[in-house]
Amino acid sequence: GENVEQHPSTLSVQEGDSAVIKCTYSDSASNYFPWYKQELGKRPQLIIDIRSNVGEKKDQRIAVTLNKTAKHFSLHITETQPEDSAVYFCAASTEGNTPLVFGKGTRLSVIA
Amino acid sequence: ETGVTQSPTHLIKTRGQQVTLRCSSQSGHNTVSWYQQALGQGPQFIFQYYREEENGRGNFPPRFSGLQFPNYSSELNVNALELDDSALYLCASSSNFQETQYFGPGTRLLVL
Repeated sequence: GENVEQHPSTLSVQEGDSAVIKCTYSDSASNYFPWYKQELGKRPQLIIDIRSNVGEKKDQRIAVTLNKTAKHFSLHITETQPEDSAVYFCAASTEGNTPLVFGKGTRLSVIA
Repeated sequence: ETGVTQSPTHLIKTRGQQVTLRCSSQSGHNTVSWYQQALGQGPQFIFQYYREEENGRGNFPPRFSGLQFPNYSSELNVNALELDDSALYLCASSSNFQETQYFGPGTRLLVL
């Protein structure tokens, strides 16, 4: 089955700097890759997702890139703000066929 | 915030007891997936219901069972509770089993 590895497990950045979180997956059939943000005590919130027919997707300060050949995808957050501090999870699935498989999460701390 | 709700928010049980957790899906969604999130880990897939039928199951023992009602709300039942069942239980709904999943706030279960 699918296996998703996520790095780093913790990340500290200064406010205004960029943050990058990387994930690799094992199943070449996976074609849907969402990213979730989970603040302490709250539900995972979808922040961006990408499907395998595109290589990059942006939404304001957030972008995701996908390299299907290398089987990895990354989350990029620019101009980080203290409210970006949270745990971020990547996930992978084959839409219509398999459930979401999550990475173990990255705890991002943005230092003001 | 999503329209997915869960009850109860918190629950304390003892080993060997049984528990039922409930999830109301977002309006228009016919698919509910259940996940277990242990402390410091990513969500792990338990099972999914699509139009009242089980549509996939993760690596969880049979004492984890569920059902989905005609209004697409869902229940997760866990029998013979063990200490390791202590976790946050999340449900996620989607408009079809291949679409983006939106999470509820979760039920935090503590087994003593």
